[in-house]
Amino acid sequence: AQSVTQLGSHVSVSEGALVLLRCNYSSSVPPYLFWYVQYPNQGLQLLLKYTTGATLVKGINGFEAEFKKSETSFHLTKPSAHMSDAAEYFCAVRKEYSSASKIIFGSGTRLSIRP
Amino acid sequence: DAGVTQSPTHLIKTRGQQVTLRCSPKSGHDTVSWYQQALGQGPQFIFQYYEEEERQRGNFPDRFSGHQFPNYSSELNVNALLLGDSALYLCASSVTGDEQYFGPGTRLTVT
Repeated sequence: AQSVTQLGSHVSVSEGALVLLRCNYSSSVPPYLFWYVQYPNQGLQLLLKYTTGATLVKGINGFEAEFKKSETSFHLTKPSAHMSDAAEYFCAVRKEYSSASKIIFGSGTRLSIRP
Repeated sequence: DAGVTQSPTHLIKTRGQQVTLRCSPKSGHDTVSWYQQALGQGPQFIFQYYEEEERQRGNFPDRFSGHQFPNYSSELNVNALLLGDSALYLCASSVTGDEQYFGPGTRLTVT
C-alpha cells in the first residue's frame, strides 16, 4: 500500500530564510510524486511533480523538490521565503501512470513566515 | 477558460439529512474525482467518474454516491449525514495527458 508521511505539521521560518518541508513516501512501485499548496479557503494548486527523468524538479513560485529513491524522500525547498508563501502544503503520491488515478495525500504541513 | 467550479461554496445541514454537491470540470476534461478533506487533514479519495460511470472508489460507505452527466459535470450525494461528514469536499477534473485540477471546494457543516 502507498502512503505519504510529512514530518512536522507546522513549520515557521523568517522571511528570506530557507524553506524545507519534509516528505517521505512508501510505495511498492515507482511512484509519481507531487507537492500541492492550499491557501486559506481555497482548493489545491499543483506546485510541482515528479514522474520520471531528472530527480530535481522545479515548480512554481521558486519551489523545487528532489526525488531520492534511496531515502524514499521528496522534500520541498525554497531558498528564500516570502510572506506570500504562508499556506498549507501537501505531499502526495500516485501509483499509476494515468493522471486520472487517485492521489494519496499526506496530512499536510502548515508553513508560517515570520516578518 | 474557467477552471474547476463547485457549488455551493458553503452548506449547513442537520444530522440525518441528505446533501448534493456539484462540480463542473475544467474545459476539455472528462474525468471527475471527489475528495473529502477533514479539518487538519489531507484530502482523501472518495470516488471517480468517467464516461458517466464510477471507475474507482476509496474507502467510503455507500452513503456516499455520485453521478456524472453527459456534459462531464458531476454530483456528489451524501445520505443520512453524520457529524463526521463535516469537511471540505474537493472536486478534481482531469483528462488523459493532463494532471488533476482541483476546484475551490464546498465546505459542509453538519450540526
